[in-house]
Amino acid sequence: NAGVMQNPRHLVRRRGQEARLRCSPMKGHSHVYWYRQLPEEGLKFMVYLQKENIIDESGMPKERFSAEFPKEGPSILRIQQVVRGDSAAYFCASSPGQGLYEQYFGPGTRLTVT
Amino acid sequence: AQSVSQHNHHVILSEAASLELGCNYSYGGTVNLFWYVQYPGQHLQLLLKYFSGDPLVKGIKGFEAEFIKSKFSFNLRKPSVQWSDTAEYFCAVNSGYSTLTFGKGTMLLVSP
Repeated sequence: NAGVMQNPRHLVRRRGQEARLRCSPMKGHSHVYWYRQLPEEGLKFMVYLQKENIIDESGMPKERFSAEFPKEGPSILRIQQVVRGDSAAYFCASSPGQGLYEQYFGPGTRLTVT
Repeated sequence: AQSVSQHNHHVILSEAASLELGCNYSYGGTVNLFWYVQYPGQHLQLLLKYFSGDPLVKGIKGFEAEFIKSKFSFNLRKPSVQWSDTAEYFCAVNSGYSTLTFGKGTMLLVSP
């Protein structure tokens, strides 16, 4: 059973470009979470999605960031017009349900903005 | 809002030493508690979790944690660490809803 997959593992973007990060949850999991880890910081929640629905986006910056989890295909975290402060590791996790379920994490995407 | 505090950012131990990593959370209601570990170059893995029942929880690789509700604490322990335990350890909490709130992490270095 494959774990949570994320790609790319490393992404370099120049300021002003767009970054697209992909996450394929574990088989049978319909809940996806995105977290961001800045240097010297713990993981910070960004957004929680189920298939075709955003459940909680309270951790998402108000501008330039968006996320989706379509009926078919991976979840996408999209960052438009990237700035240096967006440089971080972005982790995706999935679970089979809400509440008393463990979240399984992917390997992360390390975004570097030059 | 929930918050999680991990007492030490860096811990250095010799092999066979005992380990205790502190974790305190702030939330007045029912919580679920987790410890995750991130080995160098790898993704986060669950060490152990507490949902309810016995407050002393046993996890993988000889780790355990004790939930003390009156102290809002969930400290991680291991009686004898090994070099392979070198990793970053994260305490996390959720309040029954799904999103996790993480501490800043503790980097453990075990010298052989």
